Amino acid sequence: EAQVTQNPRYLITVTGKKLTVTCSQNMNHEYMSWYRQDPGLGLRQIYYSMNVEVTDKGDVPEGYKVSRKEKRNFPLILESPSPNQTSLYFCASSLIRTGLYEQYFGPGTRLTVT
Amino acid sequence: DQQVKQNSPSLSVQEGRISILNCDYTNSMFDYFLWYKKYPAEGPTFLISISSIKDKNEDGRFTVFLNKSAKHLSLHIVPSQPGDSAVYFCAADLAGALVFGKGTRLSVIA
Repeated sequence: EAQVTQNPRYLITVTGKKLTVTCSQNMNHEYMSWYRQDPGLGLRQIYYSMNVEVTDKGDVPEGYKVSRKEKRNFPLILESPSPNQTSLYFCASSLIRTGLYEQYFGPGTRLTVT
Repeated sequence: DQQVKQNSPSLSVQEGRISILNCDYTNSMFDYFLWYKKYPAEGPTFLISISSIKDKNEDGRFTVFLNKSAKHLSLHIVPSQPGDSAVYFCAADLAGALVFGKGTRLSVIA
């Protein structure tokens, strides 16, 4: 079954304690991305990756890091989480070819930073 | 400054009728436009996309229309079903950078 998985699904942590949210896809997609969803602000892109070892900043990259060492994995790293990073996070992978664009989202990770 | 706008926060439609969801954008360089629906506590579900070189794309009950001169796209759902009730997002892509509208809540009334 084609899918995007994220772990953990729920996380409560304290300010300053480093954390990693994992994301994995089994569709061999080159493109992967991270988003956060906040009330009144909708979905905003944090980082994206067009291929292995290629990452770019989205709209709201501050306070986040990513890495893309393998095609299937795209972890999101918060080196020193702060309360304003409390949000619902989604990972996605995409198939992009000339004239074709399909994107699949993971189930989300709800992060609370106290 | 919002590059992608969905000006209607909500829409109600009778079952069996057409639902039309609208989206406006400001950047003429966007390559692709996408539509998603989202249920609470789930990730967005991709519905349909359209390349900037096309003006229409159809997939089953879903059709997306793109009017580049007006910088406007719309999603038509025909016929609307109660299960279509969800929040719908449009998004625009420029070389991998994806910008979303804030969504329109569609309610399909039986």
